[in-house]
Amino acid sequence: GENVEQHPSTLSVQEGDSAVIKCTYSDSASNYFPWYKQELGKGPQLIIDIRSNVGEKKDQRIAVTLNKTAKHFSLHITETQPEDSAVYFCALSGSARQLTFGSGTQLTVLP
Amino acid sequence: NAGVMQNPRHLVRRRGQEARLRCSPMKGHSHVYWYRQLPEEGLKFMVYLQKENIIDESGMPKERFSAEFPKEGPSILRIQQVVRGDSAAYFCASSSVTGHSYNEQFFGPGTRLTVL
Repeated sequence: GENVEQHPSTLSVQEGDSAVIKCTYSDSASNYFPWYKQELGKGPQLIIDIRSNVGEKKDQRIAVTLNKTAKHFSLHITETQPEDSAVYFCALSGSARQLTFGSGTQLTVLP
Repeated sequence: NAGVMQNPRHLVRRRGQEARLRCSPMKGHSHVYWYRQLPEEGLKFMVYLQKENIIDESGMPKERFSAEFPKEGPSILRIQQVVRGDSAAYFCASSSVTGHSYNEQFFGPGTRLTVL
């Protein structure tokens, strides 16, 4: 089945700096790669996603890159703000529509 | 523009009781997924349903757990004879069927189950 590893588990950055979170996977049939932000006590919120026919996607301060050959994808947040502090999860799916999630990254943006 | 709705938000049960968790998908969505999240962990898939059909229940424990998505009304995740290990946050997500958007899953706020 699909498996995904996420690093780092915790990340602290200064406000205004960039944050990068990386996920690696093993199943080459995976073709959809979303990222979710989860704030304390809330459900995961879809922030950006990418499909296997695209190498990069950007939405304002957030970007995702995908390297299908190396089987890894990354979330990039630029100009971080304190409200970006949350747990971020990568996920993926392939022929089966359910999502397989990474273990999460606790991002803390220090003012 | 209501999103995915779940209730109750918090549920406390004693060991041996039954827990019923409800999920109403986003308007226009006919696919529902249930996930479980243990403290400090990622979400784990449990079951995928369409109206009146269970499509994939490979993540469901074999005993005590069941799910349904009737023609009318919300999807229900039912846990019989709860044990302390069932304490977790249970999230429902929904997606539509058109084009690529079937992949995009939108999550509800979750039900936090505590078993005493």
